[in-house]
Amino acid sequence: EAGVTQFPSHSVIEKGQTVTLRCDPISGHDNLYWYRRVMGKEIKFLLHFVKESKQDESGMPNNRFLAERTGGTYSTLKVQPAELEDSGVYFCASSQDDGINYGYTFGSGTRLTVV
Amino acid sequence: RKEVEQDPGPFNVPEGATVAFNCTYSNSASQSFFWYRQDCRKEPKLLMSVYSSGNEDGRFTAQLNRASQYISLLIRDSKLSDSATYLCVVRLSGGSYIPTFGRGTSLIVHP
Repeated sequence: EAGVTQFPSHSVIEKGQTVTLRCDPISGHDNLYWYRRVMGKEIKFLLHFVKESKQDESGMPNNRFLAERTGGTYSTLKVQPAELEDSGVYFCASSQDDGINYGYTFGSGTRLTVV
Repeated sequence: RKEVEQDPGPFNVPEGATVAFNCTYSNSASQSFFWYRQDCRKEPKLLMSVYSSGNEDGRFTAQLNRASQYISLLIRDSKLSDSATYLCVVRLSGGSYIPTFGRGTSLIVHP
């Protein structure tokens, strides 16, 4: 079974530019999550999709962040325009049952550096 | 008070030692509990779920204490390969699907 895949693995962009991160969950997993880890801090929740619907986006820091999951398969997270404080590792995770029993499977993350 | 708190460590132990970590959580409505392991510059990987009755997987034992609102992870006969950061993850009940992460406890097992 293929795991959660994220692309790109690394991205270095200038402040003010746009970056789009992609996540392909495990096939059949309706629940998809985006997280972010800023250096030295804990992993923070950004948002949760169930299929194509946003179940909870309370963790999105501001309106420069836009997540989509058209068709309920892969998801994208766009940051526009990027700011220095957006640097960090962005993880995507998926689960088959909202995580209550089987936990979450994480992708290897996208390391975003805004310079 | 943070929702999920862990001692960041690092815990430095020799091979073969037994080491235990605790993780406290603030919301008594928390329903699901997990320990994840994260190696340097890698993604978190599920180590084990934590059940009410406690559970064991080889050298690893997880316990839940609802009264005191903490979970624990015990590692026996530590191996060099156990060196990693151990993340506590707590999920609330009742419609909120947001898992909350602790900052992690760093374990270093030395020869």
